[in-house]
Amino acid sequence: EPEVTQTPSHQVTQMGQEVILRCVPISNHLYFYWYRQILGQKVEFLVSFYNNEISEKSEIFDDQFSVERPDGSNFTLKIRSTKLEDSAMYFCASKGSYLANYGYTFGSGTRLTVV
Amino acid sequence: EDKVVQSPLSLVVHEGDTVTLNCSYEVTNFRSLLWYKQEKKAPTFLFMLTSSGIEKKSGRLSSILDKKELFSILNITATQTGDSAVYLCAVDCYGGATNKLIFGTGTLLAVQP
Repeated sequence: EPEVTQTPSHQVTQMGQEVILRCVPISNHLYFYWYRQILGQKVEFLVSFYNNEISEKSEIFDDQFSVERPDGSNFTLKIRSTKLEDSAMYFCASKGSYLANYGYTFGSGTRLTVV
Repeated sequence: EDKVVQSPLSLVVHEGDTVTLNCSYEVTNFRSLLWYKQEKKAPTFLFMLTSSGIEKKSGRLSSILDKKELFSILNITATQTGDSAVYLCAVDCYGGATNKLIFGTGTLLAVQP
């Protein structure tokens, strides 16, 4: 069964450093997402990406965050200057169609720890 | 503001019990409601519900949606210790060119032997 692959599984970084979280969505999917889950809290929408541009972003997704699909297969989330409160599990997801009966496939997540 | 509320927040049962998990929602541009099971990492898909009153079943799990009253339930019969997990309800909402999921806080289910 096709999978969404995320790397690394765990990243520790110092406050103020830049991090790039990587995702390889399912190859024929068109819609790509980043969600995050702070420990003990609910999964929150960050950003959606379609047709090589951001479709929607939440208020969490401020100027420190950016997304790219640089080569048609990878989908990356960059945090330019990490803060302690960015520590969370980050999930990438992809979807094959906007239609209601198409589901999302989630990756196994990257646990980001900012120290 | 779009909102998904799950209850109870946590639940402890014994093997063999039947549990009902609840999810209510208030969202604009509803597309579908999804249930996920989250054990250690990524949410794993259980059900997608788009129409009212049609029960979806998978083994001991079943779910139904009421679009008039804006809620869904997830039932698990004859619970096993392997059912212990956080169960997430999420509503798929249409926004612009893409959809997005709005998640509830989850119900933590602990099944004791």
